Amino acid sequence: DAKTTQPPSMDCAEGRAANLPCNHSTISGNEYVYWYRQIHSQGPQYIIHGLKNNETNEMASLIITEDRKSSTLILPHATLRDTAVYYCIVRVGKDMRFGAGTRLTVKP
Amino acid sequence: DSGVTQTPKHLITATGQRVTLRCSPRSGDLSVYWYQQSLDQGLQFLIQYYNGEERAKGNILERFSAQQFPDLHSELNLSSLELGDSALYFCASSPTPWGLAGGGGETQYFGPGTRLLVL
Repeated sequence: DAKTTQPPSMDCAEGRAANLPCNHSTISGNEYVYWYRQIHSQGPQYIIHGLKNNETNEMASLIITEDRKSSTLILPHATLRDTAVYYCIVRVGKDMRFGAGTRLTVKP
Repeated sequence: DSGVTQTPKHLITATGQRVTLRCSPRSGDLSVYWYQQSLDQGLQFLIQYYNGEERAKGNILERFSAQQFPDLHSELNLSSLELGDSALYFCASSPTPWGLAGGGGETQYFGPGTRLLVL
């Protein structure tokens, strides 16, 4: 019963931007949105997090809507190595609830 | 490399046995978390420790137990193992515990995992 909703899968062409959406309509005012990814069976990798403002780091950009009910993770120039399951997470009490995530496949 | 180490990488054992998985958090991180990921399943939160104290429990079976030691490393003990316990077990750490207000310090960094196979 994760508090987020993501599409199960997406494809993206190599070199193009990958835009991964997430709905979190029940988010509370002080809860951050976190994004992680898991490549094959490796440990999940932290990507980015944000509260209200858009955020950017060396890996990705995070766009959060003004009402904070949804967000989009942007990988500006996707490569084959970005093929992974991407998880959008909002805290549920003291738990970090991973939903099913979005399986992003970057194609040549 | 996240800075979180887990041993062993692989473990094969028989039903009914007991195993111990070990995790060393990133330097300076006080919180440790354990997760289970079964084949084709999502990550399930098991338990959280902060500075040696249990802070939150998730879907952890009574046959499983964990502890965090004074040097902050953690161990997950799995006993009376069943075939269904075969899974990847991940440890994560963060500077501050997940569940406190505020961000950044809650960011969890995951280890490479221990793959457990129960035969």
